[in-house]
Amino acid sequence: GAVVSQHPSRVICKSGTSVKIECRSLDFQATTMFWYRQFPKQSLMLMATSNEGSKATYEQGVEKDKFLINHASLTLSTLTVTSAHPEDSSFYICSAHERGYEQYFGPGTRLTVT
Amino acid sequence: QKEVEQNSGPLSVPEGAIASLNCTYSDRGSQSFFWYRQYSGKSPELIMFIYSNGDKEDGRFTAQLNKASQYVSLLIRDSQPSDSATYLCAVTGGSYIPTFGRGTSLIVHP
Repeated sequence: GAVVSQHPSRVICKSGTSVKIECRSLDFQATTMFWYRQFPKQSLMLMATSNEGSKATYEQGVEKDKFLINHASLTLSTLTVTSAHPEDSSFYICSAHERGYEQYFGPGTRLTVT
Repeated sequence: QKEVEQNSGPLSVPEGAIASLNCTYSDRGSQSFFWYRQYSGKSPELIMFIYSNGDKEDGRFTAQLNKASQYVSLLIRDSQPSDSATYLCAVTGGSYIPTFGRGTSLIVHP
């Protein structure tokens, strides 16, 4: 199956700072990527759909000014958590689809804000 | 609103048994159905997808789809302790954005 990578896998930052997470499709081109957040023992929550060359589409309740998404190429999407606070601590996961409807997930980024 | 329902479990089965995981969905227009496995602290991993009514087998896994009943299931034969994880059902209805269930926790005990 298709391979999706994420970097970093873990990050600890201080409250008020910004953190950038990269998501790459390694062996295919992804016109659309997805960003999810998952709190412990809870289900995946879709945050936004990232479209190459255009603005991301955010789900209801997700602050677009706080979670900046850029999809500059067919293999790279980035999520920047701006002015992070402890409540933003979570597991952030990106995914992409190759040709069909099946999605392939990156390994995730665990963000801890102190 | 599109909904995907799964029993949260945990479903506990002995090693070597068949584990049966079930999922129902509300949108009759749903077209694609997926099962993901998620180990604790890891991201989901696609294990099966099915588009047509009936059964689809892949190794120890069988996905079953019944669109009339809006029901999709996953059978795991010869369950192993390494199969212990949360299994997520996901459904799409013509777009690439899936709706996920909350997942069923499976425990396979030796």
